[in-house]
Amino acid sequence: GENVEQHPSTLSVQEGDSAVIKCTYSDSASNYFPWYKQELGKRPQLIIDIRSNVGEKKDQRIAVTLNKTAKHFSLHITETQPEDSAVYFCAARMYSSYKLIFGSGTRLLVRP
Amino acid sequence: KAGVTQTPRYLIKTRGQQVTLSCSPISGHRSVSWYQQTPGQGLQFLFEYFSETQRNKGNFPGRFSGRQFSNSRSEMNVSTLELGDSALYLCASRSDSNTEAFFGQGTRLTVV
Repeated sequence: GENVEQHPSTLSVQEGDSAVIKCTYSDSASNYFPWYKQELGKRPQLIIDIRSNVGEKKDQRIAVTLNKTAKHFSLHITETQPEDSAVYFCAARMYSSYKLIFGSGTRLLVRP
Repeated sequence: KAGVTQTPRYLIKTRGQQVTLSCSPISGHRSVSWYQQTPGQGLQFLFEYFSETQRNKGNFPGRFSGRQFSNSRSEMNVSTLELGDSALYLCASRSDSNTEAFFGQGTRLTVV
């Protein structure tokens, strides 16, 4: 079945350090991989996404990499800031389907 | 442009009752998806509607149902509420030409 595993469940880093969150998906037909950030009490918001025809995408301090062969994708945040503290969710979706399968989330804490 | 609007924001119901939640998508978006978010299960897909038709359904019992109106507004209904239905219910809308899903603030349902 469709499944997305996400690790770690919690991550604590010092301000200025990098943070990496990893996800693995089960359905090889998945071709769209968004990452959402959810602050406490707020809605999930898209921070970056990648399609299966691209191996890497970067947006300022945030980057996502995709390894289709291994069915892995990762979120990289550089020069972390306290405002990066939130729960991050990865997700996968097949082009022909419209449902997002989410990972279990990573609680990121950036210590000042 | 107004975002995705969900009403009500908070709801307390008793076991056995039924509840209806509403979602107004971003203007022009015809796709509306519903998700259940709980601390233990994360974000789980409920169903997705497009032009008043259900296109996909998640693994939830038949007590969970939904519909979409001609103006793209969507409602979901949960009958015979159980304590385990307590959760944050999120809806997301998407345009035809874009893969990004925009989430509403959610309705927090508490079943007592």
